[in-house]
Amino acid sequence: AQSVAQPEDQVNVAEGNPLTVKCTYSVSGNPYLFWYVQYPNRGLQFLLKYITGDNLVKGSYGFEAEFNKSQTSFHLKKPSALVSDSALYFCAVRHRNTGGFKTIFGAGTRLFVKA
Amino acid sequence: DAGVIQSPRHEVTEMGQEVTLRCKPISGHNSLFWYRQTMMRGLELLIYFNNNVPIDDSGMPEDRFSAKMPNASFSTLKIQPSEPRDSAVYFCASRPGQDGETQYFGPGTRLLVL
Repeated sequence: AQSVAQPEDQVNVAEGNPLTVKCTYSVSGNPYLFWYVQYPNRGLQFLLKYITGDNLVKGSYGFEAEFNKSQTSFHLKKPSALVSDSALYFCAVRHRNTGGFKTIFGAGTRLFVKA
Repeated sequence: DAGVIQSPRHEVTEMGQEVTLRCKPISGHNSLFWYRQTMMRGLELLIYFNNNVPIDDSGMPEDRFSAKMPNASFSTLKIQPSEPRDSAVYFCASRPGQDGETQYFGPGTRLLVL
């Protein structure tokens, strides 16, 4: 079955430290991969995406993600976390199925950055 | 552009009542999505339209839910009759329509069915 996994419900990081939010997927074919962020009482906002090309993708607010085809992963990273990065992060995968293209979202990972 | 617009932002209703959620996508976007978000089930795709035509409604939970897109600038999600388990945040998103393009989410409608 096609799926997206975010293995951590929550990630805690001290401000200034690097952060990683993990995402793995299981889909057929070559997927398009996305990261979205959701702040309290807001809709999801696009952070970055991988379609093709360089495996390291840079996005908004200093975030980046690395596509690893052999490990079917697309982990979100930031070298130095800010308190304002605290939010809910969603990984999404867009893939082709029998009915056309479909986007699957992970369950989300809540990031807490402590001052 | 104002982004994706949803109304109302909050809705409180009693079980059995009809609820209509509204969405105005970003002008020029060809695809529109309705999602439901709850603590228990996370983010679920309910239905999506491409050029006003429903493409995949496999996520619509049951016949009480219906969605329409009469034109490129407006869509509704209706629940009739509503039940307490429908309480959730409902998001509308639109996309330019090309593969690989980003979805742009509205602020959501927080629905509480008593």
